[in-house]
Amino acid sequence: KQEVTQIPAALSVPEGENLVLNCSFTDSAIYNLQWFRQDPGKGLTSLLLIQSSQREQTSGRLNASLDKSSGRSTLYIAASQPGDSATYLCAVSGAGNNRKLIWGLGTSLAVNP
Amino acid sequence: NAGVTQTPKFQVLKTGQSMTLQCAQDMNHNSMYWYRQDPGMGLRLIYYSASEGTTDKGEVPNGYNVSRLNKREFSLRLESAAPSQTSVYFCASSELEGYYGYTFGSGTRLTVV
Repeated sequence: KQEVTQIPAALSVPEGENLVLNCSFTDSAIYNLQWFRQDPGKGLTSLLLIQSSQREQTSGRLNASLDKSSGRSTLYIAASQPGDSATYLCAVSGAGNNRKLIWGLGTSLAVNP
Repeated sequence: NAGVTQTPKFQVLKTGQSMTLQCAQDMNHNSMYWYRQDPGMGLRLIYYSASEGTTDKGEVPNGYNVSRLNKREFSLRLESAAPSQTSVYFCASSELEGYYGYTFGSGTRLTVV
């Protein structure tokens, strides 16, 4: 059974720092992996999608990597800003006939001015 | 803006009351989903519809029913609300079983008293 773990559960950094959020999964047979952002009391915004055949995706100050063999993905945020404060969720889609999303519990990020 | 629209955004129900959560997407996606999000438990799939005319149970379907009204609309019904159904409900849609990722609505915050 696929399980997704996100470490750390919470992170507080000063503005301007580069930071890394971690996502690990137990079954390497995945279809793709998606990173989302959730602001308090709001919906989920898709940040980056990595297909199982890809190693990384970039969007602005965000870079997500995928290492299927080790069951890990990282979300790198460069030059963090207070506006980056949110919860970041990782979700894995299974391969084969089971394409349902399996979710981590998220990392709550606070970027302090 | 293209996306997933959920109504209502907030709702308070008394135990035993019924209600329907509405969801519509304008991206011509085949698949639609209903999730609930609870603190410490992450997002859990309630029901999904792989294509118009089909619906299937997810991880936590008890106490809920769904209707895929047409390709655009997918509703979630609580026939007799219980306090355990207090949660935030999210609707999502995808194309090609999530190959291009998932798009989420802004959520419905439901409280059952």
